Amino acid sequence: DGGITQSPKYLFRKEGQNVTLSCEQNLNHDAMYWYRQDPGQGLRLIYYSQIVNDFQKGDIAEGYSVSREKKESFPLTVTSAQKNPTAFYLCASSNSPGVKSEQYFGPGTRLTVT
Amino acid sequence: QKEVEQDPGPLSVPEGAIVSLNCTYSNSAFQYFMWYRQYSRKGPELLMYTYSSGNKEDGRFTAQVDKSSKYISLFIRDSQPSDSATYLCAMVEGGNNRLAFGKGNQVVVIP
Repeated sequence: DGGITQSPKYLFRKEGQNVTLSCEQNLNHDAMYWYRQDPGQGLRLIYYSQIVNDFQKGDIAEGYSVSREKKESFPLTVTSAQKNPTAFYLCASSNSPGVKSEQYFGPGTRLTVT
Repeated sequence: QKEVEQDPGPLSVPEGAIVSLNCTYSNSAFQYFMWYRQYSRKGPELLMYTYSSGNKEDGRFTAQVDKSSKYISLFIRDSQPSDSATYLCAMVEGGNNRLAFGKGNQVVVIP
């Protein structure tokens, strides 16, 4: 059963703590992405990776970090430097550019920081 | 001006009505156009994927692209309560895989 998994579904943290969100895909896609979704703001790109061991900042990378050590995994760390971390986080994957560009999304992780 | 404009709604229609959604864009380099459906507290799922100008039909859904006007539409025929969701348009330049998203349009189909 191919797809993208994100865990956990809900995550609660205290302010000042770093937290890592998991994203795994078995679609054999080269590219992976992290988005943040806030009410009324649509999807905003945090980081993306087109190939293993390489990643680029998106539009709102400050306060976040990522790694891409394996093709199937792209974890996102929300650091204490992120001023407003409470949000719905979505991971996605796609084939390489030039092939079909549509992205497939995971179920999301809702992070609440208090 | 944002790259992709989408009126967030919400849009309420009676069951059986036709739902009409649209997005406008400013970047003439966009070549691929997508519509995603997102149920509450879930990830978006790809609904339609189009490349050229014209219409593409899939069951009750029709996606329309007018590149000359920089305008895309999604039509849902015979709408059902299960169609109640947020619909996001997305588009991308050729050879690039950074999607530009609209803000999403919330649709409520009333039984």
